[in-house]
Amino acid sequence: EAGVTQFPSHSVIEKGQTVTLRCDPISGHDNLYWYRRVMGKEIKFLLHFVKESKQDESGMPNNRFLAERTGGTYSTLKVQPAELEDSGVYFCASSQDSAGDGGDTQYFGPGTRLTVL
Amino acid sequence: AQKVTQAQTEISVVEKEDVTLDCVYETRDTTYYLFWYKQPPSGELVFLIRRNSFDEQNEISGRYSWNFQKSTSSFNFTITASQVVDSAVYFCALYRRGRRALTFGSGTRLQVQP
Repeated sequence: EAGVTQFPSHSVIEKGQTVTLRCDPISGHDNLYWYRRVMGKEIKFLLHFVKESKQDESGMPNNRFLAERTGGTYSTLKVQPAELEDSGVYFCASSQDSAGDGGDTQYFGPGTRLTVL
Repeated sequence: AQKVTQAQTEISVVEKEDVTLDCVYETRDTTYYLFWYKQPPSGELVFLIRRNSFDEQNEISGRYSWNFQKSTSSFNFTITASQVVDSAVYFCALYRRGRRALTFGSGTRLQVQP
């Protein structure tokens, strides 16, 4: 079974440019999450999709970030325009509520390392 | 508010030594879930274990063991007879039932020297 995949693995852009990150979750997982780790800090939650609906976007830093999950399959995270402080590693995760108790395990992708110059 | 503290920033051991990674958490919820993830040099986060707040049994999986103590709000991870392949950053994480945003600790970098 394929794991969570993310594209690209690295992206280097200049301040003010736009970048779109893509995440393909594990097949059959309705839940999809975005997290990021900026240099030296903890991994922080950004948002959570259930199928194509945003369930929780409380971690999105500002309106320069836009996440979509059309059709409830893959997701994209667009940063427009990018700022220096957006540099970091963006992780995607997916889960399936197989336990039925809300305590499902999130499986992570390899991350996209974003560098804004 | 929830918080996870991994006080050990970096640990270095020699192969075959045992090592314990500490995790202390804070939450007001009675139902919550604790996790450990491993991040090897390749970068991905690899799931190791999930534990819910009602299950205080310790768990052993090969060389790995976990000690969950609600009384001290700790969920420590021990590697027995460490190997070079155990070198990685290890993250402890927490979330409460009903909200699936994981709260991560800052991670502990483990270096196992040959």
